[in-house]
Amino acid sequence: AQSVAQPEDQVNVAEGNPLTVKCTYSVSGNPYLFWYVQYPNRGLQFLLKYITGDNLVKGSYGFEAEFNKSQTSFHLKKPSALVSDSALYFCAVRDYGNNRLAFGKGNQVVVIP
Amino acid sequence: DAGVIQSPRHEVTEMGQEVTLRCKPISGHDYLFWYRQTMMRGLELLIYFNNNVPIDDSGMPEDRFSAKMPNASFSTLKIQPSEPRDSAVYFCASSPDRSSGNTIYFGEGSWLTVV
Repeated sequence: AQSVAQPEDQVNVAEGNPLTVKCTYSVSGNPYLFWYVQYPNRGLQFLLKYITGDNLVKGSYGFEAEFNKSQTSFHLKKPSALVSDSALYFCAVRDYGNNRLAFGKGNQVVVIP
Repeated sequence: DAGVIQSPRHEVTEMGQEVTLRCKPISGHDYLFWYRQTMMRGLELLIYFNNNVPIDDSGMPEDRFSAKMPNASFSTLKIQPSEPRDSAVYFCASSPDRSSGNTIYFGEGSWLTVV
């Protein structure tokens, strides 16, 4: 079964500094990888996804993620963090042919002014 | 598009009462998912439907939980009788066709508190 690991519970970063949220995955076949963001008292919002093609995927709000097959990773990045980026970030994976989306436990990102 | 619409947004109920959560998926989406989010267990898939038919309900906690999708634009998740441990945020989500690369879109959630 597919699974996702988000090793850090919380990521603290100063405003203006680069932000990285880590994710590693496990699937039996080709992975389909997703990042979602959840603001307080809100639902999950789609940020970006990797299906195939370029390993660097660009998404909403200036976020991007890099797919690394050899390291089975899909880290989320933003060159310059904003205070408004403070939220809960979820990595998710879907195995080819499978409609179940497996989520990681989420990472709380705190951007310090 | 209005997105996935859930109701109620917030519900507080007493233990033993029946709870019904409602969902309207995005028009044209063939798949509908019910997720539960708690601090302890994170996001859990409860059940999903394809073209109104339940495909996988292995995540439904127990017989007190039931879900239906009578038509393409409406689904319910029912808890009867409710217990305090059912307190959680329940998300409905939908996605287009079967392609695994399709994005799942979430509603704003139903925040349930059972006292």
